[in-house]
Amino acid sequence: KAGVTQTPRYLIKTRGQQVTLSCSPISGHRSVSWYQQTPGQGLQFLFEYFSETQRNKGNFPGRFSGRQFSNSRSEMNVSTLELGDSALYLCASSFAQGRNSPLHFGNGTRLTVT
Amino acid sequence: AQTVTQSQPEMSVQEAETVTLSCTYDTSESDYYLFWYKQPPSRQMILVIRQEAYKQQNATENRFSVNFQKAAKSFSLKISDSQLGDAAMYFCAYRLYTGNQFYFGTGTSLTVIP
Repeated sequence: KAGVTQTPRYLIKTRGQQVTLSCSPISGHRSVSWYQQTPGQGLQFLFEYFSETQRNKGNFPGRFSGRQFSNSRSEMNVSTLELGDSALYLCASSFAQGRNSPLHFGNGTRLTVT
Repeated sequence: AQTVTQSQPEMSVQEAETVTLSCTYDTSESDYYLFWYKQPPSRQMILVIRQEAYKQQNATENRFSVNFQKAAKSFSLKISDSQLGDAAMYFCAYRLYTGNQFYFGTGTSLTVIP
């Protein structure tokens, strides 16, 4: 079974631009979550989607948004990029909410804002 | 609020020796799940082991085991017979019994010395 696929692996953007990251979950997984990873803050939860609905959102500004499609694929968008948005963005999928379903992570997208 | 603390930013261990990584968490919930993830330089987060809070028995997965002390809110990871491939960043994570938001610690970087 293919794992979680994130594209692109690397992105370089300029401050003020916007960016869209893509995530394809493991087949059959309906929950997709996004995390921002930085050296100082560790992994910070951005949001989670389940069956095309945002179920939970972390403490990030409205510039961060996402969506999920009917095939469970998800996109994350960041508008008006700031230098502090430079990070590794990780997507994770899971089979279901609740129980002890672990997160299965992709390789991440490394975003650099200059 | 749920917080996860890993007080050891860096650890090292001799190959074939045993090392223990510490993790504490803060929660007012009684039912939850705990996880250890490993992140090698490839960036992909890999599930190492998981523990249900309602189970008193400590989880084990081959050379990996945990010491779960619910009253102390402690969840340490023991790696036995350390191998060079164990070198990675290790993250402790907590998840409520319901919902799918994970809370991560800031990680412990493990070096394995040949």
